[in-house]
Amino acid sequence: DQQVKQNSPSLSVQEGRISILNCDYTNSMFDYFLWYKKYPAEGPTFLISISSIKDKNEDGRFTVFLNKSAKHLSLHIVPSQPGDSAVYFCAASSGGSNYKLTFGKGTLLTVNP
Amino acid sequence: EPEVTQTPSHQVTQMGQEVILRCVPISNHLYFYWYRQILGQKVEFLVSFYNNEISEKSEIFDDQFSVERPDGSNFTLKIRSTKLEDSAMYFCASSSSGIGNIQYFGAGTRLSVL
Repeated sequence: DQQVKQNSPSLSVQEGRISILNCDYTNSMFDYFLWYKKYPAEGPTFLISISSIKDKNEDGRFTVFLNKSAKHLSLHIVPSQPGDSAVYFCAASSGGSNYKLTFGKGTLLTVNP
Repeated sequence: EPEVTQTPSHQVTQMGQEVILRCVPISNHLYFYWYRQILGQKVEFLVSFYNNEISEKSEIFDDQFSVERPDGSNFTLKIRSTKLEDSAMYFCASSSSGIGNIQYFGAGTRLSVL
């Protein structure tokens, strides 16, 4: 069951550059999308979210873009900082499913100084 | 800042034993969840709980699993007879509402079944 896919297991970028993390989904019933960041030995930490009625949401250095026709979303981090190094999870939910989150496998982002 | 607290951080048990994983959700939250992550795999939904009853459960959440909110603050996950394949990180999460569902996660309990 791969309703949410993160096809890049890892990504390495230089400090100060842009990080782009991608996520695809197959379930057209999803209407809310979230990005979580996870450090080792910690739980997922909420980062940013977007409703299906929008195509962009921005919060400081983080911007999420949603392309509903392509069933694709992306997280942009500008500028990237070494402290951003973590695993990033894309998650999706729908109101009809009691709001459970369906996660992707995650992308390990490494920001090099 | 309010946070979800989980205890213990690591639980080691023998196969066939019962375990109880404990969670204290954020105090004004109404929705509660358990997820698990087997090493190297994705985070998987187990169960959601609202208004003192299960609102949804996954096919993983079979008769060996149960959840309870025994008082106004704790939320527990019980596994009656653990199997080797139950070894995983178990995460508790809570949210204040369903719509615009931002779930806040605890640090997790690592369950090791020997």
